[in-house]
Amino acid sequence: EVQLLESGGGVVQPGGSLRLSCVASGFTFSSDTMSWVRQAPGKGLERVSGITGNSGGTYYADSVKGRFTISRDNSKNTLSLQMSSLRAEDTAVYYCVRGGVRAPFDYWGQGTLVTVSS
Amino acid sequence: EIVLTQSPGTLCLSPGERATLSCRASQSVTSSYLGWYQHKPGQAPRLLIYGASSRATGIPDRFSGSGSGTDFTLTISRLEPEDFAVYYCQQYGSSPLTFGGGTKVEIK
Repeated sequence: EVQLLESGGGVVQPGGSLRLSCVASGFTFSSDTMSWVRQAPGKGLERVSGITGNSGGTYYADSVKGRFTISRDNSKNTLSLQMSSLRAEDTAVYYCVRGGVRAPFDYWGQGTLVTVSS
Repeated sequence: EIVLTQSPGTLCLSPGERATLSCRASQSVTSSYLGWYQHKPGQAPRLLIYGASSRATGIPDRFSGSGSGTDFTLTISRLEPEDFAVYYCQQYGSSPLTFGGGTKVEIK
């Protein structure tokens, strides 16, 4: 059974930093592109970042470029998102997702809430 | 960037009725890399349809997808109580991958 378990969400002040993690199981993690997708309150879904299986390719939405860094450790089946210079508009539920270009988003974690507020 | 426009924004229907949801792309979607997702409050989104018309594992056959190019449709043949949710289309053929704004299917 495929499982994606996120952690690291919480409340942070504007300008602060937070690191999200996602531990994957039930599939060959190193073979698959992984993504982070967020949903802000009352809004739709937005893919904010992605990384290929061998970490050779990464993607960042314009809204987070230069502030967020995606990485993975295939030896630990772990995906990470380092978020810095956080803004109120980064407040959202962040989902760890298997999928990317030419691969549907077929498995999702339960989500972790990030709240940026003073 | 491919912009996906979903219509209607809200669909008010009764259990047992047929639901037809539309997703229109601003340019042709590469090789029909178009997916549909169901999202309920407090839950993770769930993949229903990929490749425009293929059902994901475990998805009931009352859900069907069709279309190509710029026009795609998700049909729910007979709504069950558990089908009332928000539905998103997504193109995953070319970066940046994009989602539509969603259609909420609510109980009439």
